[in-house]
Order: sequence, then C-alpha cells, then structure tokens
Amino acid sequence: SQQGEEDPQALSIQEGENATMNCSYKTSINNLQWYRQNSGRGLVHLILIRSNEREKHSGRLRVTLDTSKKSSSLLITASRAADTASYFCATDAGAGNNRKLIWGLGTSLAVNP
Amino acid sequence: NAGVMQNPRHLVRRRGQEARLRCSPMKGHSHVYWYRQLPEEGLKFMVYLQKENIIDESGMPKERFSAEFPKEGPSILRIQQVVRGDSAAYFCASSRAGNYEQYFGPGTRLTVT
Repeated sequence: SQQGEEDPQALSIQEGENATMNCSYKTSINNLQWYRQNSGRGLVHLILIRSNEREKHSGRLRVTLDTSKKSSSLLITASRAADTASYFCATDAGAGNNRKLIWGLGTSLAVNP
Repeated sequence: NAGVMQNPRHLVRRRGQEARLRCSPMKGHSHVYWYRQLPEEGLKFMVYLQKENIIDESGMPKERFSAEFPKEGPSILRIQQVVRGDSAAYFCASSRAGNYEQYFGPGTRLTVT
C-alpha cells in the first residue's frame, strides 16, 4: 500500500532556482528517505532523516521532517540541469525484522537551462 | 566495492515462457528487496528477503511469481508463464542488516512479446 505521497507530481523550473518537493505519509515512521531516479536508471539514495530529527543537510539538499503533520520536504538549492530526475520519498515504518520501505509515486523535476 | 548487480539488463520473453532475474547484493549486505516499476510510475514493492528467508512477500502476486535468496549466490526473481502485463522494469536493492539505506541495481527491463 502506498504510504508516501509526493507533491507536486511534476515541477519545471529554471536553472539556478530552488526546487521544493513535499511528501506526506500516513503512519508513524522510524525514518524517511529521499531517492533520485534518472530516466531509465536505478534509484540513488540521497538522504535519510530519522523520526527524532527535524532537519538535515547534504550539499545543496535540505530535508525537513514534521512528524506532527506527517510530512517532509526536500529542497534543492541553486538547481542545475543535471538535477532533472524523478524524486521519491520512502518511509520505514517497519517493526522488528521487517524493514521494508513504503514508496510514494514521485515528483518529476525538470530543470531548464 | 562493486554496487548491486543485476542481470540481465534486458530480457525479452514470449508469452508463456519463464523469466529469471538475478540480483547480487553489495558486499556485506544480507537484505534484498525486489521492486517493479511500470513506465511513468513509481516503485511497487514486491518482496523482501534475507539469506535463505522470505521476510515479506506481500507485494508479490501469489501465482507465477517466486523469489529466493540462497545462502550462496544471487537472489533470483522467477516469473513463470509470463504475460504481457509482466512487462516492466524490475529493480533489486540491498541493505546491510540493521541499516535502512537501500542501494539499487540498474534494473532488468523485461519485455513480453
């Protein structure tokens, strides 16, 4: 069953602008992860934020987590054409031995040069 | 350290044939996950395995699909009597026991003619 829902479904911006994507989920989580997928390729892990963290940075990426609203946002600053990809959030709501991730449908980001 | 390996990268089968997809996890990873992705869609979880053990197969169709992760060798996703609707990209991911980040292979694109 789908847990994360990304918003917007598609986003088109100019190079140099910031891109913000949101993810909402339904149940309590252990952590939330963001991944990127270039067209036709496998997914690449970007960043993991734990349920007791509120904000995390990695290079031009900034992720926030609001567990009271069950939502997360991914901000890409100073975007580049190479950031064009689909971005997925995934939540780890597993318990015990079952650590599967639940995936959203993704946000398709187009960065125009 | 080699990443997650999947083979074949492309597989064409006629309706009714069997498809075998292989996944070699990253060195040191004992958890394997299989996902299916249709064009322009998100990832759909299929099955989660540890060595010699299926942890969660709730996303895998009961008929025609099976998965294994033996003590030695790669994980295998097997689809018997393939139908056109099985055409999709199948991604494998692996993670270290107790570590939640998943590392993805490049995928196998199955086409059923």
